Amino acid sequence: GESVGLHLPTLSVQEGDNSIINCAYSNSASDYFIWYKQESGKGPQFIIDIRSNMDKRQGQRVTVLLNKTVKHLSLQIAATQPGDSAVYFCAEKARDNYGQNFVFGPGTRLSVLP
Amino acid sequence: SQTIHQWPATLVQPVGSPLSLECTVEGTSNPNLYWYRQAAGRGLQLLFYSVGIGQISSEVPQNLSASRPQDRQFILSSKKLLLSDSGFYLCAWAGVVEAFFGQGTRLTVV
Repeated sequence: GESVGLHLPTLSVQEGDNSIINCAYSNSASDYFIWYKQESGKGPQFIIDIRSNMDKRQGQRVTVLLNKTVKHLSLQIAATQPGDSAVYFCAEKARDNYGQNFVFGPGTRLSVLP
Repeated sequence: SQTIHQWPATLVQPVGSPLSLECTVEGTSNPNLYWYRQAAGRGLQLLFYSVGIGQISSEVPQNLSASRPQDRQFILSSKKLLLSDSGFYLCAWAGVVEAFFGQGTRLTVV
């Protein structure tokens, strides 16, 4: 979509604070929603996923919230650390005519301040 | 376990030269495969995806093409590169829940 041409929005947080990264999705029929972390010069890495029939899932220092009413997904990172600095993408796993497909959000750059 | 290999890691090519980026997957059969491009500081743009040998779906019109000559091999090509083809190219395959990405190829067209 057009969003891939825009500069990534940036979220700056102090080390030790909690971070909240938000994402809007479009397909109500998606099975799963996934968060990825991309460090500079590397491919995106899986962080956590949530199934469409859930509204909250927790991992180690991360929590994903899903609000299907407003088609909103968020990633919360507790006690943000310098190593959390990266670009974060949400993705929805959708089924199209050819099989499963992944649709990625535009991404958010998280910058952790010392 | 499943792994995905993508090469080369970096590439500098002159305008008008051809391109061939290769991606192979191990440990799975009949995977859905994807090529993405990422401009500096920007999001992921889906270029092509494939659900099987010889089956390619193109998401955006462009100077690039893709082929899948074998079940676990996905190739991104161009006959003549443009300056605008510069970027970070990522290959991925789809698991049950998530997509797994290669380490990417940084292409600079000069």
